[in-house]
Amino acid sequence: AQTVTQSQPEMSVQEAETVTLSCTYDTSESDYYLFWYKQPPSRQMILVIRQEAYKQQNATENRFSVNFQKAAKSFSLKISDSQLGDAAMYFCAYRGNTDKLIFGTGTRLQVFP
Amino acid sequence: DAGITQSPRHKVTETGTPVTLRCHQTENHRYMYWYRQDPGHGLRLIHYSYGVKDTDKGEVSDGYSVSRSKTEDFLLTLESATSSQTSVYFCAAGDSRSMGNTIYFGEGSWLTVV
Repeated sequence: AQTVTQSQPEMSVQEAETVTLSCTYDTSESDYYLFWYKQPPSRQMILVIRQEAYKQQNATENRFSVNFQKAAKSFSLKISDSQLGDAAMYFCAYRGNTDKLIFGTGTRLQVFP
Repeated sequence: DAGITQSPRHKVTETGTPVTLRCHQTENHRYMYWYRQDPGHGLRLIHYSYGVKDTDKGEVSDGYSVSRSKTEDFLLTLESATSSQTSVYFCAAGDSRSMGNTIYFGEGSWLTVV
């Protein structure tokens, strides 16, 4: 079975600085997708970015980018120019051949002014 | 949200009573999911559906059952609620990986079992 691990329960960053959230996963599949979701205090689940495993190029969405290392099964999220509104829980997720969406335990990001 | 509504949004129930949570979607998504969210555990998959009357277990399915008789509705039933099932429940829906691969979430249902 596939698993997703987020080893950083909490992270903090100063406004305008850069922070990287870590995620590793375990799978024997070769075709899969990886996601980062943001959950603010409202509990709404917001898709931040996604990566297709067969694409070597790292995905980027504005201030958010990923470092996808397929051989190492690593999928980290970099947030540049952090803003107060970035404060939230961030979840890494995996979707493979069964189309189940499996989540990690999350990282709580605090942003300080 | 993206056309996903959960009901009820908040419920307090007694131990041993049956509870049904409803997830309704309006976008004709093939896949639907039920998760529970607890501190320190993230979102854990309870059950999911890959079509009408097609369901499969997730990682925490004990004590839960599901039904999907129509594309738009996915019901989660706690046959006999226990305090350990106090949680926030999220429904999600989406299409296959080849059809956009976006999973949309409802706003959550807060369930307290006393």
